[in-house]
Amino acid sequence: DSGVTQTPKHLITATGQRVTLRCSPRSGDLSVYWYQQSLDQGLQFLIQYYNGEERAKGNILERFSAQQFPDLHSELNLSSLELGDSALYFCASSVGGGVSTDTQYFGPGTRLTVL
Amino acid sequence: QKEVEQDPGPLSVPEGAIVSLNCTYSNSAFQYFMWYRQYSRKGPELLMYTYSSGNKEDGRFTAQVDKSSKYISLFIRDSQPSDSATYLCATKGTAGNKLTFGGGTRVLVKP
Repeated sequence: DSGVTQTPKHLITATGQRVTLRCSPRSGDLSVYWYQQSLDQGLQFLIQYYNGEERAKGNILERFSAQQFPDLHSELNLSSLELGDSALYFCASSVGGGVSTDTQYFGPGTRLTVL
Repeated sequence: QKEVEQDPGPLSVPEGAIVSLNCTYSNSAFQYFMWYRQYSRKGPELLMYTYSSGNKEDGRFTAQVDKSSKYISLFIRDSQPSDSATYLCATKGTAGNKLTFGGGTRVLVKP
């Protein structure tokens, strides 16, 4: 158990809908990262928050947004869902915001299925 | 072309054999290298973390980095059926913490 928690475990929804994925980092970690894992694209970095502020952005679609709250938990919002958004979404956390030796610990993921 | 390439496998070996995994990368800015293990329907779990060329050993696992060839390897000695999983290599540069992953190699260790 990495100490990173994600809810829900599974989510099934329809095209055009909006969903929210939630992540709680390990105790003491200030950074939260979101990754998307699909069969064709592999594991891809979406976005990082550090202590409430956006720190880095990857291949995140404009339909997707995230935020980190004062208690450090984070939410990833996915809107206008398409079939291609079906994937595993992982949250990871680390202590620092950009320290190169920082280790990222991954949560168990949320499996999103868009029908 | 992807920045980090990894053979998808599957790689099937008998129990007790040495598992050899590797990745190549194209971006010279990558300076830190990791290997994650991912069991089916679970999150990636960090196995090894290296930042210099050479070998790093931890129990049955040895990570090898050759920055001149942009080549990283993971060796698993005395493999066990419980080692059956997908192994992902990951890299990052010195600026920021974004990880770039290889596609993963599926390993099957047969009893």
